[in-house]
Amino acid sequence: KNEVEQSPQNLTAQEGEFITINCSYSVGISALHWLQQHPGGGIVSLFMLSSGKKKHGRLIATINIQEKHSSLHITASHPRDSAVYICAVKGTSQFYFGTGTSLTVIP
Amino acid sequence: DTEVTQTPKHLVMGMTNKKSLKCEQHMGHRAMYWYKQKAKKPPELMFVYSYEKLSINESVPSRFSPECPNSSLLNLHLHALQPEDSALYLCASSQLDRGIGTDYGYTFGSGTRLTVV
Repeated sequence: KNEVEQSPQNLTAQEGEFITINCSYSVGISALHWLQQHPGGGIVSLFMLSSGKKKHGRLIATINIQEKHSSLHITASHPRDSAVYICAVKGTSQFYFGTGTSLTVIP
Repeated sequence: DTEVTQTPKHLVMGMTNKKSLKCEQHMGHRAMYWYKQKAKKPPELMFVYSYEKLSINESVPSRFSPECPNSSLLNLHLHALQPEDSALYLCASSQLDRGIGTDYGYTFGSGTRLTVV
């Protein structure tokens, strides 16, 4: 069993739809990161969370420490949001990465 | 400057070649990391440097040799690689807070796409 589980693995949405990606983890963490990776590209850090909720533009990230669960929401999705979204948690000595959610937004 | 810069962006090398990947940051981060990422897989940690000293080596083969010449630079020297070593190599850095024993400000570079032929 992976320390970090993401769902769904693949997601296709129509432009304008509201999107939710979920992440559950089983280890004690100091922080949770949501990362974005475009095909063939490097990784961009979208959010770092240790509690509550953060919002940046059309992106919203929430975390529930008691339930060990986080969600990434994209409002009014756009084709340029198409990418792989990775949940990563920082344990005591290392990062644990989820397997990623591949999002395709169709015009 | 809030970036981690990796060079080159693409590299093709033969199995007998010696090459180096370079990673640079000027954010004052004191932890630097090398990751290897195969297609459609999450990144795998290779090495961690804390305060210019190697702190984690995830049982990486000796054909990969990391070097941290100063707090801003991290190199990965490559020698006698195999085709299965072809992957995206990502560098990252973070700030360390010895006071509370944690790190923050995690930043990734855009990676070097390595092909071994």
